[in-house]
Amino acid sequence: DAGVIQSPRHEVTEMGQEVTLRCKPISGHDYLFWYRQTMMRGLELLIYFNNNVPIDDSGMPEDRFSAKMPNASFSTLKIQPSEPRDSAVYFCASSRGRFYNSPLHFGNGTRLTVT
Amino acid sequence: SQQGEEDPQALSIQEGENATMNCSYKTSINNLQWYRQNSGRGLVHLILIRSNEREKHSGRLRVTLDTSKKSSSLLITASRAADTASYFCATDYTGANSKLTFGKGITLSVRP
Repeated sequence: DAGVIQSPRHEVTEMGQEVTLRCKPISGHDYLFWYRQTMMRGLELLIYFNNNVPIDDSGMPEDRFSAKMPNASFSTLKIQPSEPRDSAVYFCASSRGRFYNSPLHFGNGTRLTVT
Repeated sequence: SQQGEEDPQALSIQEGENATMNCSYKTSINNLQWYRQNSGRGLVHLILIRSNEREKHSGRLRVTLDTSKKSSSLLITASRAADTASYFCATDYTGANSKLTFGKGITLSVRP
């Protein structure tokens, strides 16, 4: 079991550029979550999917953020255009079954810096 | 905010001592989970305790849940330097749109 795989590990970009973060969940997991972590706000849930379908995107901060899950083994989080306040660590997590029944497995995150 | 709140924010102990961390929350929950995060890494699940459970053990970890006080504690016995990390409680609130929400974490430093 390779765990949840995120890429890239680090991303530095200039304000206004498009950023795409990628995630490969654990095989067989039917839930996928995107979280953002900052010192000020802690861990925030941005969006989650069940069987590739977005269920709750109320945590997505603005229309500049979008997420897709074209199949069970891949998801992307896109920010367009990026702003300095988007700088954070973005985590992808997956689980087998909804979170009240089973633990989340996190990737090692993508540290995004927008200058 | 529905976030759980951990207490203390930071804890420094000597190797071999026990570490106790607390989490308080605001409304009814389905379960409460504890996670560990090492520097620069993702969160790792430690233990899940359901709302109808009062205590769970896993190795050197002991978790208690008091739903009447809306609080939980995580005890790490005989701490090791490798236990140095941030610890988070996460709560799954009851309700149609419940989400797993995390507290801001406790930074534990275990001095060798």
